[in-house]
Amino acid sequence: DIQMTQSPSSLSASVGDRVTITCRASQGISNYLAWYQQKPGKVPKLLIYEASTLQSGVPSRFSGSGSGTEFTLTLGSLQPEDVATYFCQNYNSAPYTFGPGTKVDIK
Amino acid sequence: EVQLVESGGGLVQPGRSLRLSCAASGFIFDDYAMHWVRQAPGRGLEWVSGISGNGGSLGYADSVKGRFTISRDNAKNSLYLQMNSLRAEDTAFYYCIKGPWSGYFLSYFYSWGQGILVTVSS
Repeated sequence: DIQMTQSPSSLSASVGDRVTITCRASQGISNYLAWYQQKPGKVPKLLIYEASTLQSGVPSRFSGSGSGTEFTLTLGSLQPEDVATYFCQNYNSAPYTFGPGTKVDIK
Repeated sequence: EVQLVESGGGLVQPGRSLRLSCAASGFIFDDYAMHWVRQAPGRGLEWVSGISGNGGSLGYADSVKGRFTISRDNAKNSLYLQMNSLRAEDTAFYYCIKGPWSGYFLSYFYSWGQGILVTVSS
């Protein structure tokens, strides 16, 4: 199975800051990488798929990049409503695997 | 509007069985693969199983293989997860998810149900 890791595990930043989360796959997954946002007590929400394609309705301050084994999710300007845990997901092959998550909050 | 409503969760003793159901509406059910993803309280996400739109292809996480069975009834727009030999580590919220196409391969997850809690405890 492909293992997914994320760094950092948590971060605290100020409103307006640029925030970057890294996701690494244990083997190459092309661009079959998705990012999800989960707010406390809520269902995960798809933000990005194919590593960099923004899901409809997601604010443009979110962006994704990468291919192969290293990927990044960037929040261009952190907003209070972005407080959440962010997960990456490999969907190159089953079993689909998720990263352990990165918790983002406001400093 | 896509709606996915899970049912059948609850408290069950270790070693017993439980069957989850997911009622789907708002889309042509047999045009899409369906999946189950679970999340232990306060923990991360784990893909459990997926099934193609016609039910001909399916897959499981290693952690549930041989114990869980995914199935679907396209006439009833329903997805199921039969869970046998349940263990404490199966305790989680189980989410029913619509895949992006008919195959269960190359699947990311953009339509989620609200989830249902399964608690395995004596």
